[in-house]
Amino acid sequence: SQKIEQNSEALNIQEGKTATLTCNYTNYSPAYLQWYRQDPGRGPVFLLLIRENEKEKRKERLKVTFDTTLKQSLFHITASQPADSATYLCALDISGYSTLTFGKGTMLLVSP
Amino acid sequence: GAVVSQHPSRVICKSGTSVKIECRSLDFQATTMFWYRQFPKQSLMLMATSNEGSKATYEQGVEKDKFLINHASLTLSTLTVTSAHPEDSSFYICSARDNRGNQPQHFGDGTRLSIL
Repeated sequence: SQKIEQNSEALNIQEGKTATLTCNYTNYSPAYLQWYRQDPGRGPVFLLLIRENEKEKRKERLKVTFDTTLKQSLFHITASQPADSATYLCALDISGYSTLTFGKGTMLLVSP
Repeated sequence: GAVVSQHPSRVICKSGTSVKIECRSLDFQATTMFWYRQFPKQSLMLMATSNEGSKATYEQGVEKDKFLINHASLTLSTLTVTSAHPEDSSFYICSARDNRGNQPQHFGDGTRLSIL
């Protein structure tokens, strides 16, 4: 069956450091992968989309890599701030019909 | 940016009540909208795909008679939880896909449903 795995434990880092979150998937070759941010009691907010033919994508302090051989995406937040504390979700279109399947998410806690 | 409005944000009601949740795309048209359910510390689980002018497509295990979906216009989809019971208590989230294409899904802020 299809599986999307994200770091299950919360990630605690200090302000100013780089946070790296992992998304691994099995049994599929998605055309693209997306990262979302979710705050408690809120809906997900889109951050970045990376396509299978792109190795890396950047947006301000965010960077996403996509290794289709390893079936892995890494999500980096540089110069992290307490306001970056949230749960980060990766999502794939596994069905091929543009419906997304989400990982469980990784909670990031940035301490001042 | 693209905005999806979901209403109400929170509902508390008695067992047996039917609850309607609205999802509106405010500044774009969406032929396709999606309804998700999320339990605490779990991922979003797709319940159904809502298609304007046609029947919704439900995921396996989701009862279509329990979760009624109506998508009567290009900016509005509704989910009605019929005869809700405590086990239906959850966080329901909608999303909409912009008809202009090559856009990510935009999500509403969710509805916390609590059935007593």
